[in-house]
Amino acid sequence: AQSVTQLDSHVSVSEGTPVLLRCNYSSSYSPSLFWYVQHPNKGLQLLLKYTSAATLVKGINGFEAEFKKSETSFHLTKPSAHMSDAAEYFCVVRPPGGYQKVTFGTGTKLQVIP
Amino acid sequence: GAVVSQHPSWVICKSGTSVKIECRSLDFQATTMFWYRQFPKQSLMLMATSNEGSKATYEQGVEKDKFLINHASLTLSTLTVTSAHPEDSSFYICSARTEYNEQFFGPGTRLTVL
Repeated sequence: AQSVTQLDSHVSVSEGTPVLLRCNYSSSYSPSLFWYVQHPNKGLQLLLKYTSAATLVKGINGFEAEFKKSETSFHLTKPSAHMSDAAEYFCVVRPPGGYQKVTFGTGTKLQVIP
Repeated sequence: GAVVSQHPSWVICKSGTSVKIECRSLDFQATTMFWYRQFPKQSLMLMATSNEGSKATYEQGVEKDKFLINHASLTLSTLTVTSAHPEDSSFYICSARTEYNEQFFGPGTRLTVL
């Protein structure tokens, strides 16, 4: 069984300050992990993904995430928040091997204060 | 990345009527598509997995006779909400899986049942 926990339902940061969105996963084997962003009334856009290559993954729009197996974490970070980063962020886990279903976290709403 | 479209982007219907939502993979073929439902301020919940040329696989608790899925071609899957009621109002998102096991999401369809 697999699961993913997003520890914060809501994060608020000031524009220009760092962003940290936390994600912990549970999986029997080394999974693939993803971060998606969803702007209001829009679909999901892939920010980045980890698929057992480099543990530090760089994505679009300045975001990056580090896979830490010992901590079963895949936190999303960005050095400096921009107003356009305000959105809902989902951490997603997928088991290895073949065509497996993904499991979504409950989401973290990021608010950026001017 | 690959593009997945949905039509319509929003629809309002009367209670008791049926609504069809289309999901298309625009620049790739997808033997597998997924249908998700998202309630306000909640995460995506998988409803069913749509396989081209065969019956869809529904998740536990999803009524297959109410949510009819047809995956008639490698680029088109449709979700029909039959005899819609206000509790069916939601944001419906589809995704399509490429041959490389990447999953791309559509922009979503907002259904409001009066």
